[in-house]
Amino acid sequence: ETGVTQTPRHLVMGMTNKKSLKCEQHLGHNAMYWYKQSAKKPLELMFVYSLEERVENNSVPSRFSPECPNSSHLFLHLHTLQPEDSALYLCASSWSFGTGFAEAFFGQGTRLTVV
Amino acid sequence: AQSVTQLDSHVSVSEGTPVLLRCNYSSSYSPSLFWYVQHPNKGLQLLLKYTSAATLVKGINGFEAEFKKSETSFHLTKPSAHMSDAAEYFCVVSEDNYGQNFVFGPGTRLSVLP
Repeated sequence: ETGVTQTPRHLVMGMTNKKSLKCEQHLGHNAMYWYKQSAKKPLELMFVYSLEERVENNSVPSRFSPECPNSSHLFLHLHTLQPEDSALYLCASSWSFGTGFAEAFFGQGTRLTVV
Repeated sequence: AQSVTQLDSHVSVSEGTPVLLRCNYSSSYSPSLFWYVQHPNKGLQLLLKYTSAATLVKGINGFEAEFKKSETSFHLTKPSAHMSDAAEYFCVVSEDNYGQNFVFGPGTRLSVLP
């Protein structure tokens, strides 16, 4: 176990559905991330939260809506998705300031299929 | 801007033979460098990280990497491959110490043949 837990592990949804992905970290970190991993593409950073404030939004479509209610929890709300949004969605956490190097710890991902 | 190139999309080795996964980076500053491994249907696990204290970095499961500034490289090696090493490997560069600015390479898939 990496200390970062994602639920559900698999999700199949229709294009008109609304669903949410959940991420929880037990490492005491103060930054959390959503990444998208599609076949044949490098990992794409979608959102970054540091101290519960969003600091990065890499031009992600508005059909993806993140929420970070506290430093341990991160959600990704999904609505009216497209088939090309099918991918593995990875959550990660790390320290966002301080001394030393702070690698990111990843969850096991949610495999999303949009039909 | 920073970037990462992984020169091989797929590497195949026999069990017990050495592994070499190549990574070159581009960075305007002194970068942080990482290697992550991803087994099928799993998240990413940190193998090792370059902290600027030593150019030869040892990681988990017998892997190591050498930082060569003159060649802008951070190649990953292992003396003897094991079947369990079959996975996808990602080289990552960051211009600060923290995950907010991680840039991932495209990945190298390692196959280990019996």
